[in-house]
Amino acid sequence: KAGVTQTPRYLIKTRGQQVTLSCSPISGHRSVSWYQQTPGQGLQFLFEYFSETQRNKGNFPGRFSGRQFSNSRSEMNVSTLELGDSALYLCASSLVISGDNTGELFFGEGSRLTVL
Amino acid sequence: DQQVKQNSPSLSVQEGRISILNCDYTNSMFDYFLWYKKYPAEGPTFLISISSIKDKNEDGRFTVFLNKSAKHLSLHIVPSQPGDSAVYFCAASSHGSSNTGKLIFGQGTTLQVKP
Repeated sequence: KAGVTQTPRYLIKTRGQQVTLSCSPISGHRSVSWYQQTPGQGLQFLFEYFSETQRNKGNFPGRFSGRQFSNSRSEMNVSTLELGDSALYLCASSLVISGDNTGELFFGEGSRLTVL
Repeated sequence: DQQVKQNSPSLSVQEGRISILNCDYTNSMFDYFLWYKKYPAEGPTFLISISSIKDKNEDGRFTVFLNKSAKHLSLHIVPSQPGDSAVYFCAASSHGSSNTGKLIFGQGTTLQVKP
């Protein structure tokens, strides 16, 4: 069974640009969550998508957005990049039964974004 | 506001001995707790979890203890092996459809197991 796949693995952008990251969840997993990992802040929740709808959002500015497609694949977008957006962006998928997650998230290897 | 805290950034133990990683939380609404392990250049992998209706859960060498009154949980690894060297994250969530998929993570504890 294939795991969570994130692309690209590494990317470098400059301030003011925008970036789109992609995530393919484990087959059958309908919930996709995104997290930002930085050395100072640890892992912070960005948002969660289920059935193409955002149903949870963390405390990040509106420059951070996402979407989910009918095949459960998800993308996140960061516009007007700032130096502080440099981080590892992790996607996680989980199994949903009767509307509730089972609690265990399966993470991808992450997309390492560097903003210059 | 750090709702989940791992106060020890690092821990070093000898192979074969017990490793104890600690985690404190402040939100009394949390009812599900998990531990994840992370190697460099990899995503976190699920290790073990515990529901608030239990005070202990065991899986092989890994045991998680939950003390709800103290809002404290700990992960015990016995015996510790060099392959256990990684960053360990404690995470918590409030179950229910409105909060699924959202975990609040601690800052992580780097465990080094020396041969």
